[in-house]
Amino acid sequence: GQNIDQPTEMTATEGAIVQINCTYQTSGFNGLFWYQQHAGEAPTFLSYNVLDGLEEKGRFSSFLSRSKGYSYLLLKELQMKDSASYLCAVREEGGSYIPTFGRGTSLIVHP
Amino acid sequence: EPEVTQTPSHQVTQMGQEVILRCVPISNHLYFYWYRQILGQKVEFLVSFYNNEISEKSEIFDDQFSVERPDGSNFTLKIRSTKLEDSAMYFCASSSDRIEDTQYFGPGTRLTVL
Repeated sequence: GQNIDQPTEMTATEGAIVQINCTYQTSGFNGLFWYQQHAGEAPTFLSYNVLDGLEEKGRFSSFLSRSKGYSYLLLKELQMKDSASYLCAVREEGGSYIPTFGRGTSLIVHP
Repeated sequence: EPEVTQTPSHQVTQMGQEVILRCVPISNHLYFYWYRQILGQKVEFLVSFYNNEISEKSEIFDDQFSVERPDGSNFTLKIRSTKLEDSAMYFCASSSDRIEDTQYFGPGTRLTVL
């Protein structure tokens, strides 16, 4: 089984930078996903990390450290529309390619 | 950009009734999935489907659930006799020709069981 831990809620100011952390414990690791989910809508794919390091995609970056069981999603130049839930999902190696989702971090961006 | 679509967006049903939720995956994708999300809780995997058969299912996916690909475009989830606790958002997802590829989610069907 897997244990995925994210903060429940974070707040930040428009224009600022925020880092959302995710820690996980798995018996084997085969990739970590970040999804954005606005209230009442579907999760939208943001990033995928399988090797250590930073993946940058526009205002969003995702970092992975496999040895520490740790990832973060970095959001720069925050906009009001970034207010959403951010879901960390981890895939275990060994047969299943189905990711297990964390409970998500609700990010509130205020002016 | 291609999208996963789902119908209906909202379904209200009486306990004990059968419901069918419909999905049209992205056209060149080969792997299909159903997830559910009870209000305020995390996204939970139900079932994956490939080559016209179930490839994996969770313990939530019991005998009350079934999936089907009735034609070349639709992918359906049937709940045979709904229970109050089946009330949730149901998301369909698809991924391309490799199972390890990223899954793309549809907009969801909100199922309310009364």
